[in-house]
Amino acid sequence: KQEVTQIPAALSVPEGENLVLNCSFTDSAIYNLQWFRQDPGKGLTSLLLIQSSQREQTSGRLNASLDKSSGRSTLYIAASQPGDSATYLCAVRRYGGATNKLIFGTGTLLAVQP
Amino acid sequence: EAQVTQNPRYLITVTGKKLTVTCSQNMNHEYMSWYRQDPGLGLRQIYYSMNVEVTDKGDVPEGYKVSRKEKRNFPLILESPSPNQTSLYFCASTNSMLEQYFGPGTRLTVT
Repeated sequence: KQEVTQIPAALSVPEGENLVLNCSFTDSAIYNLQWFRQDPGKGLTSLLLIQSSQREQTSGRLNASLDKSSGRSTLYIAASQPGDSATYLCAVRRYGGATNKLIFGTGTLLAVQP
Repeated sequence: EAQVTQNPRYLITVTGKKLTVTCSQNMNHEYMSWYRQDPGLGLRQIYYSMNVEVTDKGDVPEGYKVSRKEKRNFPLILESPSPNQTSLYFCASTNSMLEQYFGPGTRLTVT
């Protein structure tokens, strides 16, 4: 059974710092991994999608890496801003196509202090 | 703008009064799904649909129904809502690269 864990559960940093969020999964047979951002009481916004054949993806100040063999992904946020404050969720999809649902991690609550 | 929309965004109802939460996507995606999110339990899938007229149960389907008569719409039906269905509900659609997009959420309170 796939389990997804995110560490730390909560993180508070001063504005301008670079930071890393971690995601680990127990079954390396994944199709892809997706990072989301969720603001309180709001929907999930897709940040980055990494296919199993890829090692990393970048979008602006965000960089996500994937190491299937070790069951790990990291989300790197450069030059953090107060507007980055949100909960960050990673989710993995197993092989088997769309019938296999996304398995979500527990989330990291990020607070960027001005 | 490519998006998933849900209505209503907020709903307060009473036990036993049937309700429907609508979901629509304008991206021509075949795969759609419904989730509920509860504190401490995270996101759990309720139902999913691979295409028109093809639906299947997720992890927590009890008390819910869905239908997929058109590709763009995937309504969630609560025939007889109960207080334990108070939750934040999300509709999602998935593209051919299996990237998932979520709607803005519907906060449902059943008293």
